[in-house]
Amino acid sequence: QKEVEQDPGPLSVPEGAIVSLNCTYSNSAFQYFMWYRQYSRKGPELLMYTYSSGNKEDGRFTAQVDKSSKYISLFIRDSQPSDSATYLCAMSANTGNQFYFGTGTSLTVIP
Amino acid sequence: DTGVSQNPRHKITKRGQNVTFRCDPISEHNRLYWYRQTLGQGPEFLTYFQNEAQLEKSRLLSDRFSAERPKGSFSTLEIQRTEQGDSAMYLCARKADGNSPLHFGNGTRLTVT
Repeated sequence: QKEVEQDPGPLSVPEGAIVSLNCTYSNSAFQYFMWYRQYSRKGPELLMYTYSSGNKEDGRFTAQVDKSSKYISLFIRDSQPSDSATYLCAMSANTGNQFYFGTGTSLTVIP
Repeated sequence: DTGVSQNPRHKITKRGQNVTFRCDPISEHNRLYWYRQTLGQGPEFLTYFQNEAQLEKSRLLSDRFSAERPKGSFSTLEIQRTEQGDSAMYLCARKADGNSPLHFGNGTRLTVT
């Protein structure tokens, strides 16, 4: 079983839709959770960084962590064509030395 | 700007040749990571440095791979006797001390023909 599971999609939504992206994980030691956005032929760009359970909001993006279910989500409100990219979840344990990534979900927002 | 510069952006080489990639992070982050990413997959950990010390290496890092970080500034990743299976994006990331996230460069895309 992989440390981090993420549905690869692809996911296609109309402009303005709310997008929900999710990851599950197996290691209960994970405490720090990240979402990255990656455009084609570019490196991953950090979107959200959260600690432990709860919600964090930044503009149109909301990250949710449910440690009891080992489940994290990223919500994108009022999605735009410029949001079309691959979204990667990542997580680490308290030591912060090793980071584990999902396979990424490919998102297309149709104008 | 993520504060990580990687060169070259794309490298095409023939099987059996040696290649070297360079990563230049901003100076105040003393942790530097190398990851490999293949198409449709998330980044996979290769190795990381704290200052000039290489503290951890993945089993993915075969003896054909070597990484250095002289003087704790820039880093190089060398692949000797390249194989077609080495074709991937090689990503470098900087990280501050403590519990903080990775910040990636735009990677070097390697194609082995």
